[in-house]
Amino acid sequence: DIVMTQSPDSLAVSLGERATINCKSSQSVLYSAKNTDYLAWYQQKPGQPPKLLISWASTRESGVPDRFSGSGSGTDFTLTISSLQAEDVAVYYCQQYYSTYSFGQGTRLEIK
Amino acid sequence: QVQLVQSGAEVKKPGSSVKVSCKASGGTFSNFNVSWVRQAPGQGLEWMGRIIPIVGIPNYAQKFQGRVAITADRSTSTVYMELSSLRSEDTAVYYCARHPAGAFEYWGQGTLVTVSS
Repeated sequence: DIVMTQSPDSLAVSLGERATINCKSSQSVLYSAKNTDYLAWYQQKPGQPPKLLISWASTRESGVPDRFSGSGSGTDFTLTISSLQAEDVAVYYCQQYYSTYSFGQGTRLEIK
Repeated sequence: QVQLVQSGAEVKKPGSSVKVSCKASGGTFSNFNVSWVRQAPGQGLEWMGRIIPIVGIPNYAQKFQGRVAITADRSTSTVYMELSSLRSEDTAVYYCARHPAGAFEYWGQGTLVTVSS
């Protein structure tokens, strides 16, 4: 099974500042034949189901603000929020779908 | 617009079983994966298994093999997840999610299952 590890577990950032969340997989999730990483990012707010933000490591879903971006390849990935807004307070999860499915443990993002 | 509507909250005794439903509306149902993901109180997301209704053959996470059964009824666009031999550690919110081969695009609202004597 592929284990996903996020860092940090929690993060406090000032409004308007950059937030960076890291995700590392225990093995590569890059499908070489398609040169595509099978990695997604989700946002979950209290009492709600997760919301898909980014798939294929860097493809933003329709309607997701462009302050959210994903990067990385192979085993190391990053979710960046370029200018933190109050509504971005949530828990963020990475997920691999290269080999069945598994999630990181989550990163709690708060306002400093 | 795709909507997944799950059945209501359940309270179960240890050792019993629970069956949660996930009814889809809007969009195509049979050709996509439907996965079940659970979230214990204050914890992260845990994938349990999936089914493609048109195929009807489920895949389960090893942790739940032998204790979970995922089925689909194409006539009603409903997927079911049954978990047996319940224990207190199974207390969680259970979500269904519809997705292609990749990320989980659409999620149900969640069903709280409480296991308590």
